[in-house]
Amino acid sequence: DAKTTQPPSMDCAEGRAANLPCNHSTISGNEYVYWYRQIHSQGPQYIIHGLKNNETNEMASLIITEDRKSSTLILPHATLRDTAVYYCIVRVARTNSGGSNYKLTFGKGTLLTVNP
Amino acid sequence: NAGVTQTPKFRILKIGQSMTLQCAQDMNHNYMYWYRQDPGMGLKLIYYSVGAGITDKGEVPNGYNVSRSTTEDFPLRLELAAPSQTSVYFCASGSTANQPQHFGDGTRLSIL
Repeated sequence: DAKTTQPPSMDCAEGRAANLPCNHSTISGNEYVYWYRQIHSQGPQYIIHGLKNNETNEMASLIITEDRKSSTLILPHATLRDTAVYYCIVRVARTNSGGSNYKLTFGKGTLLTVNP
Repeated sequence: NAGVTQTPKFRILKIGQSMTLQCAQDMNHNYMYWYRQDPGMGLKLIYYSVGAGITDKGEVPNGYNVSRSTTEDFPLRLELAAPSQTSVYFCASGSTANQPQHFGDGTRLSIL
């Protein structure tokens, strides 16, 4: 799986949009970009994923650049409950040998702190 | 709306004791996973299962065993607890290999 690079920490004011960047310059054509977050002492929570088109759901939007080498997770109106570590994960679902890749590789992520 | 349920939430074991961490999901997911997370680190895959009766090793399987007799349950067994197994254990499930994984709230295990 391609490696990802995220800033270690970011701050955001409550009610404002939080834009979390992720670099994945070695991503290959069949690798998806997933975002998870982990609120302190809880299990990771899936947020969104995409291949090359921008995606939006009830939690967030995912913007993937045209060359797919970077992406941005957008929380449109951050609240205090969005304070968490956010993980950008690049993952191929099927291996070259035809098997499936079941592993999620969590790096260090970005600690987003939403301030009142 | 239970999702993935893990029990117990906390446990302290003595070196050499054994225990089973329970994981149950009510979403009829075929795929289930066990991860461990050491302090300040990412998650590492211990074992996974693609359906009832089928299990396979992940990155760090030594010292652990699993079974999958039903779709709903995926228990993780520690036979001879060691201090290196002190960690937070997360169970997850997914409908397919491509679909997102849904996690439980974890079991915090200390071995003294």
